[in-house]
Amino acid sequence: QKEVEQDPGPLSVPEGAIVSLNCTYSNSAFQYFMWYRQYSRKGPELLMYTYSSGNKEDGRFTAQVDKSSKYISLFIRDSQPSDSATYLCAMTPRAGGTSYGKLTFGQGTILTVHP
Amino acid sequence: ETGVTQTPRHLVMGMTNKKSLKCEQHLGHNAMYWYKQSAKKPLELMFVYSLEERVENNSVPSRFSPECPNSSHLFLHLHTLQPEDSALYLCASSLSGNQPQHFGDGTRLSIL
Repeated sequence: QKEVEQDPGPLSVPEGAIVSLNCTYSNSAFQYFMWYRQYSRKGPELLMYTYSSGNKEDGRFTAQVDKSSKYISLFIRDSQPSDSATYLCAMTPRAGGTSYGKLTFGQGTILTVHP
Repeated sequence: ETGVTQTPRHLVMGMTNKKSLKCEQHLGHNAMYWYKQSAKKPLELMFVYSLEERVENNSVPSRFSPECPNSSHLFLHLHTLQPEDSALYLCASSLSGNQPQHFGDGTRLSIL
């Protein structure tokens, strides 16, 4: 079983739709959760960073973490064609020792928002 | 403009060549990383450096050799690579081990 599971899609939605992207994980030690966006021929760009459970909102983006269910989500409201990219979830336990800097990534979900 | 710069952006090399990838970060971070990104696979962490000391070598073959001369620069020296090493190699940096990592745009490596 992979430590982090993410549906690779592809996911295609019309402009203006609400998009829901999800990851599940098996390691209960994960404490820090991130979402990255990666455009074609570019490196991953940090979108959201959260610690432990709860919600975080930034403009049209909302990140949710449910540690009891080992489930994280990224919601995109009023999606735009410019949101078309691959979205990667990533997570890490508390840093230290062999866990230092060790992000575990999902496979990424390819999203297309069509006009 | 990204705070993490990688050169070259593209590299084609034969299996017997020796080349190096370069990464420079302008963010004042203390940790730097090398990742491998292959199609339809999650990012694979290769090496972690904290304050120029290697803290993690994630079972990477010895044909990949990292070097971190200071906290702003990171190199990946390549020699006698295999076709399966063709991938996007990404460099990242972070302030510390549990802070978010910021990525460069990668070097697209093709092994002939």
